[in-house]
This record gives sequence, C-alpha cells and structure tokens, in this order.
Amino acid sequence: GQNIDQPTEMTATEGAIVQINCTYQTSGFNGLFWYQQHAGEAPTFLSYNVLDGLEEKGRFSSFLSRSKGYSYLLLKELQMKDSASYLCAVMDSNYQLIWGAGTKLIIKP
Amino acid sequence: NAGVTQTPKFRVLKTGQSMTLLCAQDMNHEYMYWYRQDPGMGLRLIHYSVGEGTTAKGEVPDGYNVSRLKKQNFLLGLESAAPSQTSVYFCASGRDYQETQYFGPGTRLLVL
Repeated sequence: GQNIDQPTEMTATEGAIVQINCTYQTSGFNGLFWYQQHAGEAPTFLSYNVLDGLEEKGRFSSFLSRSKGYSYLLLKELQMKDSASYLCAVMDSNYQLIWGAGTKLIIKP
Repeated sequence: NAGVTQTPKFRVLKTGQSMTLLCAQDMNHEYMYWYRQDPGMGLRLIHYSVGEGTTAKGEVPDGYNVSRLKKQNFLLGLESAAPSQTSVYFCASGRDYQETQYFGPGTRLLVL
C-alpha cells in the first residue's frame, strides 16, 4: 500500500527553527509537495521537490532524498502566524497526490 | 481573480437526503479535483477531471457522482447521504497534472 508518515504534532518557540519530517512509500514518484493549512482554512502551496536536494524559499526550505523516501520542511525565524498544519503529499505513478495526515505546528512565544 | 470558490460553506443533511456541492474556478485550469478531509487522515481524492466533459474516479468514489459540463465548474453530488459522509470537502484546480493545486475554502457537511 501507499503510505505517508509525518509527526502528528510539534511545538516550537517563536524565533527558533523547526524541521518537520516526512517519509513515504508510494507506487512511483513524480514529486513531493508541502502545503500549509491554517485551522478552518484551505491548504496553500509551499514547496515542490522532484530532484534530490534542498530548495530554499525565504524562511522556508524543503529537502528531498528519493533513495531514502524522505523529505523535510525547515522553517526558520518562526513567527506566531506559522502556527498551522503542514501537509506532505507525494505524486504517485498515476500522477495522483497521496497525502499525509499533516503535522500540527504550535508556536509558543 | 476569485481563484477557487465553493458553495455552500456549511450544510446539515439528514440521512438519505441528496445535495450538490458546487466548485468554480476562474483561472482557466484544465484539472479539477474533489477531496474530503477527515480528522487524523490525509486528504483523500474522491473524483477528478482532466478537462471539460471528462471525469474519473479517485481513491474514495463510492456514494458520490460528479459532472464537469463547463470548464470552470465541477459539481459533486451525494445521491443519498450517509453519516460516514460527514466531512470537510475541498475542491482544487490546477493547470496540469504535475502542477500546484489551488484549493477552495471548503464545505463542511454534517450528515445526521
């Protein structure tokens, strides 16, 4: 079966750095997405990785290792508005997105 | 640009009732999707469309039907609602199958 694993919940302090991990087992791989979802709102796109390595976009970076079936999202200089759920999704061989259950990130002052 | 819009925002149904959820996008996207999101689970694909007049089944299609008569609209129908269909329903659209998906604000459905 297809499986995406990410921690259910993480807590971090304002101004700090946090790394959210995602491991996956899917039938084929055509890219990995990270989305942010604030409570009661729609998911919004953060990043896309299809090749191994680090993609940096402002305070957010995303890393991919296809051989290990592993990705992480790195958030720097945390702000209170970063409190949200972070969803990892893998595009499988049928070009459909398989979604993880999401990691709820709690930022404390 | 409104992006992706969904109506209604919230609905309460009794078991056995029917309803239609409407999704509209103004980005001229070919691909449209219907997902459901349940606590502790990832988004699950119900049905999707790769263009006007086409539809295809996703991971959890049973109990739902869809239609894409116009490129900008994607309708999700529940013919006979069941309590197991209580969920938050998200519509999304994208330019191509490998492109970013843009989500609507969601419809919260409660089936009693």
